[in-house]
Amino acid sequence: TQLLEQSPQFLSIQEGENLTVYCNSSSVFSSLQWYRQEPGEGPVLLVTVVTGGEVKKLKRLTFQFGDARKDSSLHITAAQPGDTGLYLCAPMNYGGSQGNLIFGKGTKLSVKP
Amino acid sequence: NAGVTQTPKFQVLKTGQSMTLQCAQDMNHNSMYWYRQDPGMGLRLIYYSASEGTTDKGEVPNGYNVSRLNKREFSLRLESAAPSQTSVYFCASRTPAGENTEAFFGQGTRLTVV
Repeated sequence: TQLLEQSPQFLSIQEGENLTVYCNSSSVFSSLQWYRQEPGEGPVLLVTVVTGGEVKKLKRLTFQFGDARKDSSLHITAAQPGDTGLYLCAPMNYGGSQGNLIFGKGTKLSVKP
Repeated sequence: NAGVTQTPKFQVLKTGQSMTLQCAQDMNHNSMYWYRQDPGMGLRLIYYSASEGTTDKGEVPNGYNVSRLNKREFSLRLESAAPSQTSVYFCASRTPAGENTEAFFGQGTRLTVV
């Protein structure tokens, strides 16, 4: 069983601030996904990072995969109330069956206007 | 496109009652999943089905059973509901494994056991 830790668990900030959330593990992954879950909805995929050291940008969101492919970060620039939600990371391993889609506990972000 | 459809959206059960949560997807995905979500606990995997005819336990299978009725449908059954099973339940289906894999979720079933 892989241990997956997300931090911080909760984050409450003002509109316009920058923030970074983390997803850490002791295991090496083939890739890692970030999902966002808005209140009352199911999670939606934001991005998949595949290569160690990879950086992907999605508007004001910047995702980075650690060089050793054990951890990832999500940085949001100039946060807006629409960024409010639960951010979940999910590691991917391509070998074996496609079962065991496991998520971290998430970071609950609240952006106040 | 409906995507992943869960029914019911809300349910209140008395302790000891049984019920089945229904899930159907119209994306022709092989893999389907059931999760529960409790405050501060993220999504915990209950059971999954990698293909029609197969099911496997996830992180928290106790107290639940599943049936992969066909490729579209994956149901979750609570035989004797307990207050500890009060939660929001999400069903998901996923595209094939690989760099472009993506999970799609239903809108959830909010279950209260009293």
